[in-house]
Amino acid sequence: GNSVTQMEGPVTLSEEAFLTINCTYTATGYPSLFWYVQYPGEGLQLLLKATKADDKGSNKGFEATYRKETTSFHLEKGSVQVSDSAVYFCALENAGNMLTFGGGTRLMVKP
Amino acid sequence: DVKVTQSSRYLVKRTGEKVFLECVQDMDHENMFWYRQDPGLGLRLIYFSYDVKMKEKGDIPEGYSVSREKKERFSLILESASTNQTSMYLCASSSSGVHTDTQYFGPGTRLTVL
Repeated sequence: GNSVTQMEGPVTLSEEAFLTINCTYTATGYPSLFWYVQYPGEGLQLLLKATKADDKGSNKGFEATYRKETTSFHLEKGSVQVSDSAVYFCALENAGNMLTFGGGTRLMVKP
Repeated sequence: DVKVTQSSRYLVKRTGEKVFLECVQDMDHENMFWYRQDPGLGLRLIYFSYDVKMKEKGDIPEGYSVSREKKERFSLILESASTNQTSMYLCASSSSGVHTDTQYFGPGTRLTVL
């Protein structure tokens, strides 16, 4: 079946550091890929998505590129802020409008 | 503005109690989902529904049931709560389409079963 693997956290960075959170997937076909973010005390919200190979999703300074050859969708940001502290989830589309999520990666950004 | 609401942010129940978790969305979405979120395991799908009175089992349906009598409301029921059902429960909704649309999530209900 489909699966998503994320790097384990927590990831701790200083403000303005470069961020990479790795995500790889196993799936049949070419599913859409997503990054969701969960801020403290809140539900998940969509951060960005990519629907086909080589697409780049971007939002709020975050980017991720759909790499079919490496089955990856790594999340990057050039300069993190304290307000980016949250849990980040990588997910892929299954048939029938369903998502398979990775385990989540907690990011902590220190001033 | 899109909104998914859940009836409680925190619940404490005793083993063996029947527990109802309610979710309401105001976006006229066809699809609704219940997940549980546990550290290191991400989100796991319990049940989902494509339409009123329709339900499908997800990955971990054991010990749970659901009800969808109206399009906007999707209820999760724990018939006899157990301590291993202590978790964060998240409801989500999305519209139907050829490709997966964005799922919109509620704030979650943190359930503790003693």
